[in-house]
Amino acid sequence: EAQVTQNPRYLITVTGKKLTVTCSQNMNHEYMSWYRQDPGLGLRQIYYSMNVEVTDKGDVPEGYKVSRKEKRNFPLILESPSPNQTSLYFCASSLSSSGINTDTQYFGPGTRLTVL
Amino acid sequence: DAKTTQPPSMDCAEGRAANLPCNHSTISGNEYVYWYRQIHSQGPQYIIHGLKNNETNEMASLIITEDRKSSTLILPHATLRDTAVYYCIVRGGNSGYALNFGKGTSLLVTP
Repeated sequence: EAQVTQNPRYLITVTGKKLTVTCSQNMNHEYMSWYRQDPGLGLRQIYYSMNVEVTDKGDVPEGYKVSRKEKRNFPLILESPSPNQTSLYFCASSLSSSGINTDTQYFGPGTRLTVL
Repeated sequence: DAKTTQPPSMDCAEGRAANLPCNHSTISGNEYVYWYRQIHSQGPQYIIHGLKNNETNEMASLIITEDRKSSTLILPHATLRDTAVYYCIVRGGNSGYALNFGKGTSLLVTP
């Protein structure tokens, strides 16, 4: 089944304790992205990747890192989490990163992160 | 990307058609209209998209006005599982790949 998976689905952690949220897609998609969703603010893009070893900042990149060493994986890293990073996180992917950007984006199930 | 305007909420009786409007008066010629929905904190789900012709798939129909300044998503026979927030998004050209979800329309399907 074609899908985007995220792990963990739920995480409670403490300020300053490094964590990684994994994202994997099995559709051979070139483009991958991370969003966070907060009440009243909607979904905002954190980072995106056009292909392996190519990443760039989205609208709210502060406090996050990403890497794209393999096409299928796009982990989100919080080196020193803070309470303002408590949020619902979504990973997304789409087929192509070239040409007209009209490809459908497929989203993972979400990771609910709480930083105490 | 062009900005979109949607009503914040709508109700629909189960089995009836749900018609969700969207205004996008500043849309440019190479921008598409996309619809996604999000069911209670799940990952957003693609529904349909179109450029200028009406489109239909197994989930919904998309009606785009001739001047392309507005569109309507139609769920022909709404079910309780269609209760969700529906997002109308305009994107295309060189505007990048990020989806600007906005606030969407919260659709409540009632028995």
